Amino acid sequence: NAGVTQTPKFRVLKTGQSMTLLCAQDMNHEYMYWYRQDPGMGLRLIHYSVGEGTTAKGEVPDGYNVSRLKKQNFLLGLESAAPSQTSVYFCASSYSGTTTNEKLFFGSGTQLSVL
Amino acid sequence: SQQGEEDPQALSIQEGENATMNCSYKTSINNLQWYRQNSGRGLVHLILIRSNEREKHSGRLRVTLDTSKKSSSLLITASRAADTASYFCATDAFQGGFKTIFGAGTRLFVKA
Repeated sequence: NAGVTQTPKFRVLKTGQSMTLLCAQDMNHEYMYWYRQDPGMGLRLIHYSVGEGTTAKGEVPDGYNVSRLKKQNFLLGLESAAPSQTSVYFCASSYSGTTTNEKLFFGSGTQLSVL
Repeated sequence: SQQGEEDPQALSIQEGENATMNCSYKTSINNLQWYRQNSGRGLVHLILIRSNEREKHSGRLRVTLDTSKKSSSLLITASRAADTASYFCATDAFQGGFKTIFGAGTRLFVKA
C-alpha cells in the first residue's frame, strides 16, 4: 500500500519556467490537497479538491493551477515559476465525510527551488 | 491568516520530562488534529479530537480541547529523543467543502 506518492522529489527551475507536480493516492480518498511549507512556517493551503473534477482555492492560490481529472491524481502546475515559489510542496489526501474533515495522509514532499 | 497558532514556537527538554504544546484557533471547529513532522519528512497524523470531546489519549499522548477558550493542548509524557520533531495543530474550515488549516508549529527538541 503506497499511500500518497509525490513526484518529483526535487526540482530546480529557472524563473519563468513551468512544471507540474504529480500526486497520486491509492486509498480511494475523495479529498486531496496541495500545501506549501516555508522555513519556520506551517503549511499553507494552495488548492484542494473535494472530488474528481472539482477544485477550489486555498489560502495562497496565486501563481498555481490544479487539476483533478482522475480521483486518484491531483496535479499542481506552475505556469511561470518565480523565486517566491521556492518551497517544499506537500500533497495530502483524506476520506472526508459530509459533516467534518478527517485525518490527512501526506506525501513525502517535493523540494522546489526557483532560481 | 492561519486558523491555529501553536505556543511555544520552540521547546527544549530533557529525555524523560513531559512536553506540553498549546494551540489556539479563531473560529468554530468540528474537530482539531495534531500532526508530527520529522525533519525532511511529510506530516504524520497523531490524534483527532472532536468538538464535543474534552480529552483524548493515545499512548503517551494526551490532548485536551476547550472550545470555550478556542484552545487545545498536546501533552507528551516521558519524552524520548525520538520525539524530537515539529508538532502542528490543524483545524477544519468549511468553504464549499472541508479544508484543513495548519498552524505554524512547535519545534520540540528532546535531549538525551
